[in-house]
Formats: sequence, structure tokens, C-alpha cells
Amino acid sequence: DQQVKQNSPSLSVQEGRISILNCDYTNSMFDYFLWYKKYPAEGPTFLISISSIKDKNEDGRFTVFLNKSAKHLSLHIVPSQPGDSAVYFCAASSTSGTYKYIFGTGTRLKVLA
Amino acid sequence: DAGVIQSPRHEVTEMGQEVTLRCKPISGHNSLFWYRQTMMRGLELLIYFNNNVPIDDSGMPEDRFSAKMPNASFSTLKIQPSEPRDSAVYFCASSPLGLGETQYFGPGTRLLVL
Repeated sequence: DQQVKQNSPSLSVQEGRISILNCDYTNSMFDYFLWYKKYPAEGPTFLISISSIKDKNEDGRFTVFLNKSAKHLSLHIVPSQPGDSAVYFCAASSTSGTYKYIFGTGTRLKVLA
Repeated sequence: DAGVIQSPRHEVTEMGQEVTLRCKPISGHNSLFWYRQTMMRGLELLIYFNNNVPIDDSGMPEDRFSAKMPNASFSTLKIQPSEPRDSAVYFCASSPLGLGETQYFGPGTRLLVL
């Protein structure tokens, strides 16, 4: 059973517009969430994280929003650039438990020039 | 720093053969992780080492899979015998301290078992 779900396998966005990638989780013990970005033939790289004590974390063009009651988080990229085209993985962990990262299946973002 | 190094980058083998994947973590990192990526299940943690000791191998799919970390700079993941359903991309990652710290991934090994 997937504890972390990314229900959109792919997303296409026009350059300059906002990209919104979504992630849902089922385990209420998760309290630390991350987004990783992966280019073809490379390993995932850390992008941004958020702790459950916050509902928003911003880093430049990237903002992660957390809705604990809905068990939902989203990654906003504004403005989107062609270089943002990649697969984005959402991950969750429990800092009071095993700390293991549980990853989603990824969303492939394509930013059209 | 060279980052996490994995070899080989690509491996094609026949069912029943032994496959060995190799990883060199970032120098000074105390924790090492092996993941498997598939379309259906995304990135799954197979095993986690801390200070060269296996801490959690609950993600290892079955006895055909084994992993070792003989020293702080080298780890192997072995599949014997390999099966077509093992075809996936296998990633190694390391982190400075352990779980909860940012993990740095290698480029992965793409395995195809025919």
C-alpha cells in the first residue's frame, strides 16, 4: 500500500506560468516532508523540505505548502522555466519513528518554451 | 567532491545470473542507503547502513538480495539469482549522519534482466 501518493504521473506547463505538483500521504505519523528533483540519467537531488510545524516553506521560485488536516502537500514553482523539466519525487518521514524516507512514484514535469 | 559513485551505470544480464552493484559514498558520510526505482512503486528503500552496520533491511525483497558494507567507502548490492522482475534502476545514497538528514544520491545503475 502506497503511503505517499503522487496521483499525476505527468504535467505540462507553459514557461513563465506556475507549476503545481501534488502529493498525498496516509500515515498521520509523518511529520517531515521533502521534494527531490530528478533529471534523466542522474540521481535525485534534494530540492526543498518542510516540517509539520510549518504550513509553508519558500526557497526562491520553489514553495512547498503543507495541509496536515488533508494530509496533502504541494510544490509550487513560479515562474516555471524549461530547466525545471524533470521528475519530482515527494517523500515523507516520521521523526519520532524510523526516519525512513517513503517516496512517491514521481511526477514528470515538462515546461514548454 | 565527486559525489556518490555507482558502478556499473548499466547492466544487462540473463535470468539466473549473479549481479553485483557497487557504491562509493561521499567521504565522511556515515550513512548509506540502497534504493530501487520502478514505475509502479517509485523509489523504495531496500537497506540502510550506519557506520558500516546494516540497521534496517526490511525493504530487501527476498533472500536473493544481499548487501554488504565492508568499509566506510564501499558497499555492494548483490542479486543472486537474478530474475526479470528485478529490472529497475538501483540508487545508492549517502548522508552525513543518518536518517532524517538530506540524502545525496548517486547516478544509479540501470539493470535489465532478460
